[in-house]
Amino acid sequence: DTEVTQTPKHLVMGMTNKKSLKCEQHMGHRAMYWYKQKAKKPPELMFVYSYEKLSINESVPSRFSPECPNSSLLNLHLHALQPEDSALYLCASSQPTGGIIDSPLHFGNGTRLTVT
Amino acid sequence: GQQVMQIPQYQHVQEGEDFTTYCNSSTTLSNIQWYKQRPGGHPVFLIQLVKSGEVKKQKRLTFQFGEAKKNSSLHITATQTTDVGTYFCAETSYDKVIFGPGTSLSVIP
Repeated sequence: DTEVTQTPKHLVMGMTNKKSLKCEQHMGHRAMYWYKQKAKKPPELMFVYSYEKLSINESVPSRFSPECPNSSLLNLHLHALQPEDSALYLCASSQPTGGIIDSPLHFGNGTRLTVT
Repeated sequence: GQQVMQIPQYQHVQEGEDFTTYCNSSTTLSNIQWYKQRPGGHPVFLIQLVKSGEVKKQKRLTFQFGEAKKNSSLHITATQTTDVGTYFCAETSYDKVIFGPGTSLSVIP
């Protein structure tokens, strides 16, 4: 069982669609992350929110738009995606310590996204 | 930029054999975390190493951090089929957690 919940589990969308991925955690963590993972590859960092503020954007294309409405929720808005964006999208949370991270990431089960 | 390398990329072992994966960095690491991802699953945190030369054990798993904090290893004694999965080391730096390429372990019963 995971304490980070992601919805939906699976999503198929066309290149002209707009959709959103959702992530929720109730562990009191104040850092939340989006990762993208292609098959047989490591998770690739996309965005980091720390205390509800975007702290890191790893040069992600603007067709991916993150949002952190509050400390428990993280969204990823998708628009005009390409087939190569098909992947597993993982949300994670941790407790920031104001410096070097020394708390583990807790991952959700991910959303399997297919862009047609 | 930050980058850790892992070897081997794949490892197939007979059940009961030992397994080791190595994580190497060209720069000194603040600390290192290890994760395991089962097929079809999500990464699960195993351990964090912070101190130079640190050794930590979890049952059959032994984790080491090099004296220069540029390398780390994970050793599994007497592998079991439940050990199947991909093992990632990850370097951490302030808000970033960057994963190495991983070692995929297969265990033949």
